[in-house]
Amino acid sequence: QKEVEQDPGPLSVPEGAIVSLNCTYSNSAFQYFMWYRQYSRKGPELLMYTYSSGNKEDGRFTAQVDKSSKYISLFIRDSQPSDSATYLCAVRNAGNNRKLIWGLGTSLAVNP
Amino acid sequence: ETGVTQSPTHLIKTRGQQVTLRCSSQSGHNTVSWYQQALGQGPQFIFQYYREEENGRGNFPPRFSGLQFPNYSSELNVNALELDDSALYLCASSPPGTGNTGELFFGEGSRLTVL
Repeated sequence: QKEVEQDPGPLSVPEGAIVSLNCTYSNSAFQYFMWYRQYSRKGPELLMYTYSSGNKEDGRFTAQVDKSSKYISLFIRDSQPSDSATYLCAVRNAGNNRKLIWGLGTSLAVNP
Repeated sequence: ETGVTQSPTHLIKTRGQQVTLRCSSQSGHNTVSWYQQALGQGPQFIFQYYREEENGRGNFPPRFSGLQFPNYSSELNVNALELDDSALYLCASSPPGTGNTGELFFGEGSRLTVL
């Protein structure tokens, strides 16, 4: 079993739709949860970071963590064509390290 | 502010050869980590460097090695290249104090093709 599972999609939605992206993870020791966006031929860029369970909102983006079910989500409201990219979830343990464990990434296309 | 820069952007090697990839971290960032991203996969952690020493390593063989220099720039060296080493190699730097956030700033990567 992979430590982080993420449906690779592809996911195609019309402009303005609400997008829901999800990951599950297997190790309850993971404490930090991140969503990265990766455009084609670019490096990943950090979108959202959350610690432990709860919600975090930033503009059109909301990240949600449910540690009891080991489930993390990213919601995109009023999706735009510029949101078309691959979205990767990443998790890590506590501690001063930068070892992130990543999902496969979900490819999203927002159609005008 | 200059972001993370990597060189070369693309390169082609043959099996058995050696390759060196370079990374200049973002100004003020003292931790550098390297990731391998195969096509259609998430990045895999190779190792990280802090204060010129390796202080974390993923499941990669010893033929993957690295260096960090006093200016925090870094190199990734891969010896005895194999076909499966074909991937996008990503360098990420982190500023001090982000150990608890895992905030990584990525370069655009070096795409290595091994023939």
